[in-house]
Amino acid sequence: GAVVSQHPSRVICKSGTSVKIECRSLDFQATTMFWYRQFPKQSLMLMATSNEGSKATYEQGVEKDKFLINHASLTLSTLTVTSAHPEDSSFYICSVHSTTPRKNTEAFFGQGTRLTVV
Amino acid sequence: GNSVTQMEGPVTLSEEAFLTINCTYTATGYPSLFWYVQYPGEGLQLLLKATKADDKGSNKGFEATYRKETTSFHLEKGSVQVSDSAVYFCALRGAGGGNKLTFGTGTQLKVEL
Repeated sequence: GAVVSQHPSRVICKSGTSVKIECRSLDFQATTMFWYRQFPKQSLMLMATSNEGSKATYEQGVEKDKFLINHASLTLSTLTVTSAHPEDSSFYICSVHSTTPRKNTEAFFGQGTRLTVV
Repeated sequence: GNSVTQMEGPVTLSEEAFLTINCTYTATGYPSLFWYVQYPGEGLQLLLKATKADDKGSNKGFEATYRKETTSFHLEKGSVQVSDSAVYFCALRGAGGGNKLTFGTGTQLKVEL
């Protein structure tokens, strides 16, 4: 079964509104989660590392005030796209790594969220 | 920095055909290399991996060999099936460890009867 649940799988929103995407670790506790973004015909690009109980670490060029990340528990991280614009339309994917040594070298991914801003 | 280059798709094959999806990388030291697969409507799943030079990862009939001399990790399967239709991502994790992955653009594979 799924190890990571990401919701919603698709969302269409109006320009200027905010959208929240949830990423849940179903199989184990995760102190760290990763958020990726993929534009058509491009690689998955790491946006930020979500750290449970502390601030997220953003990659260079990613606006932290636009992409708000909250990792309030060991099983849930949320990404909120604030004041969305059409250029934010993309495919967003979260990834989880277990805290247990045995699974530490494998990443588990959500099914992704297709965001369309109109 | 690290980067991964993989062939553009879509790749369309007939069932039982031979598959090769090329992947080359740029990284310092000895990264770990991965192939992930994404079936329609699902998340990425680890297909196979190799953590050191000359290692061969294999799973579900797919294979890839870590070639340090050519910085490549090409994915192969001798006889594809319709159920193999998916998007395949080549990825690496830097030699410094940690969990940050660098991905290629993904290659869509379509297998037809």
